[in-house]
Amino acid sequence: GAVVSQHPSRVICKSGTSVKIECRSLDFQATTMFWYRQFPKQSLMLMATSNEGSKATYEQGVEKDKFLINHASLTLSTLTVTSAHPEDSSFYICSAPVGNTNYGYTFGSGTRLTVV
Amino acid sequence: AQTVTQSQPEMSVQEAETVTLSCTYDTSENNYYLFWYKQPPSRQMILVIRQEAYKQQNATENRFSVNFQKAAKSFSLKISDSQLGDTAMYFCAFMKHYPYNNNDMRFGAGTRLTVKP
Repeated sequence: GAVVSQHPSRVICKSGTSVKIECRSLDFQATTMFWYRQFPKQSLMLMATSNEGSKATYEQGVEKDKFLINHASLTLSTLTVTSAHPEDSSFYICSAPVGNTNYGYTFGSGTRLTVV
Repeated sequence: AQTVTQSQPEMSVQEAETVTLSCTYDTSENNYYLFWYKQPPSRQMILVIRQEAYKQQNATENRFSVNFQKAAKSFSLKISDSQLGDTAMYFCAFMKHYPYNNNDMRFGAGTRLTVKP
């Protein structure tokens, strides 16, 4: 089946540095990628929607300058957490529709970000 | 805006028994999709079952079935013959039907299910 490959799975960075998370669609073209954030024992909260070749759409309350999203090709979407702070520590997950949305979306395996 | 509510933060069930997880949602849409996703300790989201709102027949997938009550905006998940591997976080999710391929999913808060041996 269609797979979204997400890397890295875990990353630890120092406060003030930037971290890039990649999501690649394997064997299918992802014109849209959704980025979610999940705090421990909580639900997935939509951060932004990226569309290939256009600017991402951010949910209310999500800082677009802190969470930079690029969707330059049909197989790659990236999320860059800029000037990371400890409160940015979280689990980030990407997902993409595959074919008919009737089948739901396929999810990446997630990235656990820890900012120290 | 659509909201999804899961009122059971945690549930447990004995192996081989049946358990039902509740989900309600709020929407003004007439056509939409509903999903149950499973998130095991690996954190990988796995689709369990889906339901199309315009279909009255309840979806079933092996041991998993739903009770979809459109008028009541209720979408519960029944797991029969529970197995230890069913232990996970379960999320109910809503997605609008239109426009195609560009609708995000909205998730409930989740229910942590533990299957006991």
